[in-house]
Amino acid sequence: QKEVEQDPGPLSVPEGAIVSLNCTYSNSAFQYFMWYRQYSRKGPELLMYTYSSGNKEDGRFTAQVDKSSKYISLFIRDSQPSDSATYLCAMRGDYKLSFGAGTTVTVRA
Amino acid sequence: DTGVSQDPRHKITKRGQNVTFRCDPISEHNRLYWYRQTLGQGPEFLTYFQNEAQLEKSRLLSDRFSAERPKGSFSTLEIQRTEQGDSAMYLCASSYQGAEAFFGQGTRLTVV
Repeated sequence: QKEVEQDPGPLSVPEGAIVSLNCTYSNSAFQYFMWYRQYSRKGPELLMYTYSSGNKEDGRFTAQVDKSSKYISLFIRDSQPSDSATYLCAMRGDYKLSFGAGTTVTVRA
Repeated sequence: DTGVSQDPRHKITKRGQNVTFRCDPISEHNRLYWYRQTLGQGPEFLTYFQNEAQLEKSRLLSDRFSAERPKGSFSTLEIQRTEQGDSAMYLCASSYQGAEAFFGQGTRLTVV
C-alpha cells in the first residue's frame, strides 16, 4: 500500500463547477500538507500549504485537512478552463515530501 | 527572486552515455531536493541536501547516480551509463528550513 493514495481520475467538469479533490494517507508522522498544480511538461506549482487540521482558503481554493481520518481535500470554486491541469497532493513529516499520483482535471468551456 | 532554475530543460542521450543536470535553488534556501517523475505518477524522492551536506539518498538512487551541492549553492545530478529506464522528468526543489518547497520546471531526460 502506498503512503499517499490519490484517485488519478480523470475528472471533467463544466466551467463554473466546483472541483473536489482528495487524498488519503497512512503515515501518522505527516504534519504538513500541500497541494501542487502541474501543467503538462512543467514543474509542480505550489497552491496551498497547511499544517493543522481544518480549513484554509485562498481565493477560489480551499484546502481541508482531517488528521484524525488521515484525509485531505482541495476544492476549487468557480472553475475555469485555465484550471485544467494535474493536481498533486503532497505531505511530509520532517523534510521529505511524499506525493499522490495526481488527479487530472479538465474544465470544459 | 527568479525561482528554482533547472538546466537543461530537455536532454536526449544515447544509452550508455553520462548526463549531468544542474539546479539553481532560490537564493538563501538552505534545503535542496531532487525528485524523479514518470508519466502518470507523482514525483518520487531521490535525495536531499541541507546546505552542502547530502543527508539522505533514496534506494531509487543506484550507484550510477550521484548528486553534489558544493558550497551549499547550486546542485548537480549526474547519471552514468544511462539506461532506457532512466527516462523521466528530473525535478529540483528548494526550501528555507521546513517551509514550503518550490519546484523548478524540471529536466526531461529521454534515453534512446
